[in-house]
Amino acid sequence: ETGVTQSPTHLIKTRGQQVTLRCSSQSGHNTVSWYQQALGQGPQFIFQYYREEENGRGNFPPRFSGLQFPNYSSELNVNALELDDSALYLCASSYRAPGYEQYFGPGTRLTVT
Amino acid sequence: DAKTTQPNSMESNEEEPVHLPCNHSTISGTDYIHWYRQLPSQGPEYVIHGLTSNVNNRMASLAIAEDRKSSTLILHRATLRDAAVYYCILRDVNGGSNYKLTFGKGTLLTVNP
Repeated sequence: ETGVTQSPTHLIKTRGQQVTLRCSSQSGHNTVSWYQQALGQGPQFIFQYYREEENGRGNFPPRFSGLQFPNYSSELNVNALELDDSALYLCASSYRAPGYEQYFGPGTRLTVT
Repeated sequence: DAKTTQPNSMESNEEEPVHLPCNHSTISGTDYIHWYRQLPSQGPEYVIHGLTSNVNNRMASLAIAEDRKSSTLILHRATLRDAAVYYCILRDVNGGSNYKLTFGKGTLLTVNP
């Protein structure tokens, strides 16, 4: 069983640029969630996708957007990057049910300069 | 989301049991209690979850108080690999369209050799 994978591992961008992060779900999972983790903090929920539609959103501005594809893989797009967007971005896949655990990828470390 | 309270840090010795407490006095009847941990430089990892009864799996045990206002994650024999941040999270079984995880700061567990 293949776990959740994310790419790239690390990324450096300049303020104002745009970035796309990618995630491949664990086999058989139909829901993908994205989290942002600043240094020393717990992960913060950005949004979740189910059946290719956004299915809940945290307190993040519209310049954070995403996609889920028919194979349940997903992208996180961030426009107009700000210095505070520097963080570890985590993707998690799961079955769409409240008792089911989420499986996290290793994350993408984004640095905005 | 119902909140949880955990100690900032705990310390244990290798091969000894560890009891990680979590208070959730405002838990509702439909909240599952989930535990995740995050090893250094990795994404969070599911540990265990329960609703009312104590639960055991290969990683740990979860003891839930009778009034469900607190719970304890038990690592029966700590190893160096168990050194991580442990998060106690409540998830509503009637989460509707949104099954996000709300992370706090968790408990940093240090395991001494």
